[in-house]
Amino acid sequence: QVQLVESGGGVVQPGRSLRLSCAASGFTFSRYGIHWVRQAPRKGLEWVSVITLDGGSKYYSDSVKGRFTISRDNSENMVYLQMNSLRAEDTAVYYCARETPTYCMDVWGQGTTVTVSS
Amino acid sequence: EIVLTQSPDTLSLSPGERATLSCRASQSVSSSYLAWYQQKPGQAPRLLIYGASSRATGIPDRFSGSGSGTDFTLTISRLEPEDFAVYYCQQYGSSSYTFGQGTKLEIK
Repeated sequence: QVQLVESGGGVVQPGRSLRLSCAASGFTFSRYGIHWVRQAPRKGLEWVSVITLDGGSKYYSDSVKGRFTISRDNSENMVYLQMNSLRAEDTAVYYCARETPTYCMDVWGQGTTVTVSS
Repeated sequence: EIVLTQSPDTLSLSPGERATLSCRASQSVSSSYLAWYQQKPGQAPRLLIYGASSRATGIPDRFSGSGSGTDFTLTISRLEPEDFAVYYCQQYGSSSYTFGQGTKLEIK
């Protein structure tokens, strides 16, 4: 079945780094853009980043630009989010999601939790 | 950046009633790029509506979307117990994506 599975979350100190992974299965991965969306505790959804199907274009929200880097490996059906200089406000559940041709997100993973705390 | 403002923040209704949720954009949004999601506690969001008015696969026809420009609406014609959740609108424009703050639909 079509599936996205995130991993790599955990507890990290402010200023440190963490890399999240998103494993895709059940569809032709190289035909889709992939997003990262996060949700802070008891808050709404916040778009973080997107990478186009071939990895040629990457976009970020202003809140993470310059600190986070998205990448993908189409041979392994994987997307990554490298998060540097982490802040307390980056604490959230991070979801990866598949993009549709109309720029919305039709398949979501179950999320991985990142906690930034000293 | 386009800001999406949803109203009301909380909507209290009973099963069987009609729900009308609003999403207003700070500037015009292409109808092709406006979507609605449902999220239940502890779960990932689920796509309900894309292109402002098209139902995603498997979404019951009691869910409908409408609107254009800066004003969009999600309507649930007759609420079922499983419909009580948080709903988000989302837009795409100029290589940026934003979500509304959400409307919580609760049982009255």
